[in-house]
Amino acid sequence: GAGVSQSPSNKVTEKGKDVELRCDPISGHTALYWYRQSLGQGLEFLIYFQGNSAPDKSGLPSDRFSAERTGGSVSTLTIQRTQQEDSAVYLCASSFSSTGNTIYFGEGSWLTVV
Amino acid sequence: ILNVEQSPQSLHVQEGDSTNFTCSFPSSNFYALHWYRWETAKSPEALFVMTLNGDEKKKGRISATLNTKEGYSYLYIKGSQPEDSATYLCAFMVNRDDKIIFGKGTRLHILP
Repeated sequence: GAGVSQSPSNKVTEKGKDVELRCDPISGHTALYWYRQSLGQGLEFLIYFQGNSAPDKSGLPSDRFSAERTGGSVSTLTIQRTQQEDSAVYLCASSFSSTGNTIYFGEGSWLTVV
Repeated sequence: ILNVEQSPQSLHVQEGDSTNFTCSFPSSNFYALHWYRWETAKSPEALFVMTLNGDEKKKGRISATLNTKEGYSYLYIKGSQPEDSATYLCAFMVNRDDKIIFGKGTRLHILP
């Protein structure tokens, strides 16, 4: 597609439920990043992929968070047993490689846990 | 833990005035420094990617400088306009094939 596409754009879920957030990067981009921004906070790094592998998962807040990327393209961020503190906007970004090139962001998935 | 600091956190500037703000980053193992503009209800938009000490980049009324030896970058906006109101993010990259770490941003408000 023309840009990074994320779905759903908005999600309201009950505490304790699992959610899946999807990211479709720009075609040909090998690097893919997940960030989140909670209310009043900056952009928090979660995980990044180079191809299908994730060299750095250090930003995942807990073992309830996991992410995968298949076919060097689409990525899914899964949050199990959601908690209210998981409420945030989850941003995905991609770039041709993680070599200092510009990264392009999607419009985010706004998650509210009630 | 890599830390990217931006200051000030928030800034109010009169329309027509010029302004600047700072991004500080670890000076060791520098690879690249990015600036982004993030407007409310939109996705962050890339402004500059800088890699060399002494780099200066310009895009219209916005420019940026980079000092990798002392670990800082300045973003300048000349003749501020209402459309410049946004959060300006800087992001730091340590090595090739590494993650990009963002600062918390400078929130700029242009006063009419």
